[in-house]
Amino acid sequence: EVQLVESGGGLVQPGGSLRLSCAASGFTFTNYWMSWVRQAPGKGLEWVANIKEDGSQKYYVDSAKGRFTISRDNAKNSLYLQMNSLRAEDTALYYCARIGYTSSGFDFWGQGTLVTVSS
Amino acid sequence: QSVLTQPPSMSAAPGQKVTISCSGSDSNIGSNHVLWYQQFPGTAPKVLIYEDNKRPSGVPDRFSGSKSGTSATLGITGLQTGDEADYYCGTWDGGLTVVVFGGGTKLTVL
Repeated sequence: EVQLVESGGGLVQPGGSLRLSCAASGFTFTNYWMSWVRQAPGKGLEWVANIKEDGSQKYYVDSAKGRFTISRDNAKNSLYLQMNSLRAEDTALYYCARIGYTSSGFDFWGQGTLVTVSS
Repeated sequence: QSVLTQPPSMSAAPGQKVTISCSGSDSNIGSNHVLWYQQFPGTAPKVLIYEDNKRPSGVPDRFSGSKSGTSATLGITGLQTGDEADYYCGTWDGGLTVVVFGGGTKLTVL
């Protein structure tokens, strides 16, 4: 059974940093692109970043460029999102998602970890 | 402002049919497959349609997808109260090199 379990969310002050983790199991992690998708309270889905199977390619939404870094440790079947210079507008539930369909389609999602940026 | 445009809300009676539209451009819907996701409050999204019109196993055939040019449509027939949810379209945008979603459509079955 495919499982994606996020952790690392919490309350952080504006300008602070946080590192999110996603533990993957139930599938061959090295065969899949992975992604982070977020959802602000009461709002729609917003894609944050993608990373290729071997970590050699990464894509980011404009608002994350220069502040967020997506990475993976294939030996640990884990995905990460390092978030720096956090802003109030980064407050959201952050989902880890597996890309299992063409056109960057997400076939499995974690349950999310909540990030709150507030003073 | 989402790259893909969906109606914010729709409503229909049980048993009726509803179609949810998703409008984009040549660089996204026009040149890539569209997916549709269903999300219930407090839960993660789930894919209903992939590659424009294919259903993952377990998704009822009441749900269908279609695409024409730079627009896509999700159809739901035989509406049930359990279909009340938010629906999102999504795809890759090759021009922007980003994943794009619609703003979501809140479906009410009343």
